[in-house]
Amino acid sequence: GEDVEQSLFLSVREGDSSVINCTYTDSSSTYLYWYKQEPGAGLQLLTYIFSNMDMKQDQRLTVLLNKKDKHLSLRIADTQTGDSAIYFCAEIKDYKLSFGAGTTVTVRA
Amino acid sequence: GAVVSQHPSWVICKSGTSVKIECRSLDFQATTMFWYRQFPKQSLMLMATSNEGSKATYEQGVEKDKFLINHASLTLSTLTVTSAHPEDSSFYICSARDFKVADSGNTIYFGEGSWLTVV
Repeated sequence: GEDVEQSLFLSVREGDSSVINCTYTDSSSTYLYWYKQEPGAGLQLLTYIFSNMDMKQDQRLTVLLNKKDKHLSLRIADTQTGDSAIYFCAEIKDYKLSFGAGTTVTVRA
Repeated sequence: GAVVSQHPSWVICKSGTSVKIECRSLDFQATTMFWYRQFPKQSLMLMATSNEGSKATYEQGVEKDKFLINHASLTLSTLTVTSAHPEDSSFYICSARDFKVADSGNTIYFGEGSWLTVV
């Protein structure tokens, strides 16, 4: 299985907040990433966080990093139907990315 | 921002034939590119690291003779799926890093991916 672990599914009501969790394995990873993939499309970099940071906020996105527990989360505020997609967290080592299995987020009206 | 282009976006080929996928860095030089494969509803798995002017480095379990990688220039890497079979049908995506830019976390760029269907 993947070294990076994520829950597989998340259903959220439009307007609510979504929280996607991820655990990674390599404590030496310098950056941790969140990517979004819509059906049939490539990867879109949503945000990333440097390993010496605890939190990063970018508009509706908030990334929290607990380096001690190797836990990463992505919070999407005011979730919209356009946020329905698969979200991948990834860690990097030697410029190679290791991805989690992806969390399928479904936004319901 | 930097752009990585893949071609073709979609390809259908007959079983037993070979198909080539190109990955180009459009406005930067990439001494190293990476090829990933994604099965439907699964994660991306690194296949190999493509090094300009030298042999690719393959991940464990990836057949070198099956997936030929050539990185002949600083802006182009190609992945050739040889003697393709239906089980090779997948989404192939490349990434490249702009090594001339100081690492700020946002220096890895992905192509749009190529869907391969072998019939």
